[in-house]
Amino acid sequence: EAQVTQNPRYLITVTGKKLTVTCSQNMNHEYMSWYRQDPGLGLRQIYYSMNVEVTDKGDVPEGYKVSRKEKRNFPLILESPSPNQTSLYFCASAWTGVYGQPQHFGDGTRLSIL
Amino acid sequence: AQSVAQPEDQVNVAEGNPLTVKCTYSVSGNPYLFWYVQYPNRGLQFLLKYITGDNLVKGSYGFEAEFNKSQTSFHLKKPSALVSDSALYFCAVRDPYDYGGSQGNLIFGKGTKLSVKP
Repeated sequence: EAQVTQNPRYLITVTGKKLTVTCSQNMNHEYMSWYRQDPGLGLRQIYYSMNVEVTDKGDVPEGYKVSRKEKRNFPLILESPSPNQTSLYFCASAWTGVYGQPQHFGDGTRLSIL
Repeated sequence: AQSVAQPEDQVNVAEGNPLTVKCTYSVSGNPYLFWYVQYPNRGLQFLLKYITGDNLVKGSYGFEAEFNKSQTSFHLKKPSALVSDSALYFCAVRDPYDYGGSQGNLIFGKGTKLSVKP
């Protein structure tokens, strides 16, 4: 089954404790992206990747890092999490071989930073 | 700059009635337009898209959307709403001539919560 898998689904942690949210896709997609969803703000892009070793900032990259060492994986790293990073996070992937392909989303990771 | 507006935070309809969820956009060129649906505790699911061709696009679960270039709109519609259609709906746009950004990037609206009552 084609899917984007995020782990963990839920995490409660404390300020300053480094954490990583993993994202893996099994569709051989070149494009991957991270979003955060906050009430009243919709989805805002954090980082995206066009292919292995190619990453770039989205609209709200501050406080986040990413890496793309393998095509299937695109982890999101919070080096020193702060309460304002409490949010619902989504990973997405897409095929870029043809313009206008839809993105496929994971089921989300709800982070609470205390 | 590209932008998407969903003017209604919430839409309420009775089961069996037609529904419309509104979306307007702003891009410099001809847009690629998408609708996604989000059910509780799930990620966004693709419903339909407009790239080119017929202005009326049909998608999953009986939904359709009409592209109107003069009004820069892409409203989502369904002839007869179901209680199970209750969810959060997102409109998204991509300007295919925006070479400054990633080919895959989309701009999302803030979402419209659809509530269908029995």
